[in-house]
Amino acid sequence: DGGITQSPKYLFRKEGQNVTLSCEQNLNHDAMYWYRQDPGQGLRLIYYSQIVNDFQKGDIAEGYSVSREKKESFPLTVTSAQKNPTAFYLCASSMGRSNTEAFFGQGTRLTVV
Amino acid sequence: GQNIDQPTEMTATEGAIVQINCTYQTSGFNGLFWYQQHAGEAPTFLSYNVLDGLEEKGRFSSFLSRSKGYSYLLLKELQMKDSASYLCAVRKKLIFGAGTRLAVHP
Repeated sequence: DGGITQSPKYLFRKEGQNVTLSCEQNLNHDAMYWYRQDPGQGLRLIYYSQIVNDFQKGDIAEGYSVSREKKESFPLTVTSAQKNPTAFYLCASSMGRSNTEAFFGQGTRLTVV
Repeated sequence: GQNIDQPTEMTATEGAIVQINCTYQTSGFNGLFWYQQHAGEAPTFLSYNVLDGLEEKGRFSSFLSRSKGYSYLLLKELQMKDSASYLCAVRKKLIFGAGTRLAVHP
């Protein structure tokens, strides 16, 4: 079945460590996105990529890094420079054309301990 | 820059109609989406508007006025399962508003 998969669902990290969140899609979508959601809040855009080997910063890119070496994959690294990383992280993908909706993965809940 | 505003919370009664508003200011507009999100889950797509007017889809309708930077989502015949957050999002970068938490009461 086609879809977008995030792993792991829950992740615990020690303060000061980098951690990478996985996002894979087999929908043949060109565009992929990473969002952060804090409790009771909306989605804030971290990074997005419209095409392989290209990505752009969103509104809250500081302390995060991404890569887009393959069309199917858009991993997000939360670095130690991110001061408050505990949040729910959502990955999405779309065809890239403006009139197509984005499909979301089930999210990764990251907790810094 | 981009700015999207929605009411934070709304309450309504089962069987009633509710309208959730969204205003936006954006450089470069390529469409507006509405998503539903239940607590702890991923958002799911509800509707898309790129031209002015009303798009109807079952119990859900969405309206857009590009000149006013305004959209609304209309939910009819409310059911308890409609209790969720409703997010509006605008292209090009797919930026989301903070969402409106809707509580439906018996």
